[in-house]
Amino acid sequence: NAGVTQTPKFQVLKTGQSMTLQCAQDMNHNSMYWYRQDPGMGLRLIYYSASEGTTDKGEVPNGYNVSRLNKREFSLRLESAAPSQTSVYFCASSVRGLTYEQYFGPGTRLTVT
Amino acid sequence: QQQVKQSPQSLIVQKGGISIINCAYENTAFDYFPWYQQFPGKGPALLIAIRPDVSEKKEGRFTISFNKSAKQFSLHIMDSQPGDSATYFCAALRSTNAGKSTFGDGTTLTVKP
Repeated sequence: NAGVTQTPKFQVLKTGQSMTLQCAQDMNHNSMYWYRQDPGMGLRLIYYSASEGTTDKGEVPNGYNVSRLNKREFSLRLESAAPSQTSVYFCASSVRGLTYEQYFGPGTRLTVT
Repeated sequence: QQQVKQSPQSLIVQKGGISIINCAYENTAFDYFPWYQQFPGKGPALLIAIRPDVSEKKEGRFTISFNKSAKQFSLHIMDSQPGDSATYFCAALRSTNAGKSTFGDGTTLTVKP
């Protein structure tokens, strides 16, 4: 099992450009999440998907959109990138049940100039 | 409104010493409290977790202490090793809320040889 995979690993964008971050999991998990991590600010939830076909806003959704393409894949789109979106982005997944362990991908380091 | 407050921001401990990281939460609806460990360039990974009906949970050198009345929980790392040097995040979530977690800001632990 690859777990949670993310592409790309690194990306540099100019202000105003758009891009989509891809995430896939092979653990048959129901829920998937997108976080951004900034120095000293921990992990902040951007969007999440409790199950296939549903998506909801998290703590910092402005400037982002998401698509839960199927049970495996959850993508994050930046329509018009801004320097404030320079961050490390993590995708995670979890399965409902007795535990709610989130499995994280390796992250995408995005720089917006 | 920060629902999970974590301290200290950074911690330096000698090899063999005890590392203690504290978290406090506000929302009494939280019912699952995991700790994640993150090494540089990697995604966070679950270390240990506790439910509020238990006051302490131990796994190897890692122990969570939980004080429900004070709404506080802490991570203790006994016999700290240089390999424990990482960033640690506490989190809290409601199991009925799609596993959506609120994270603390993180503690960077350095264990000196």
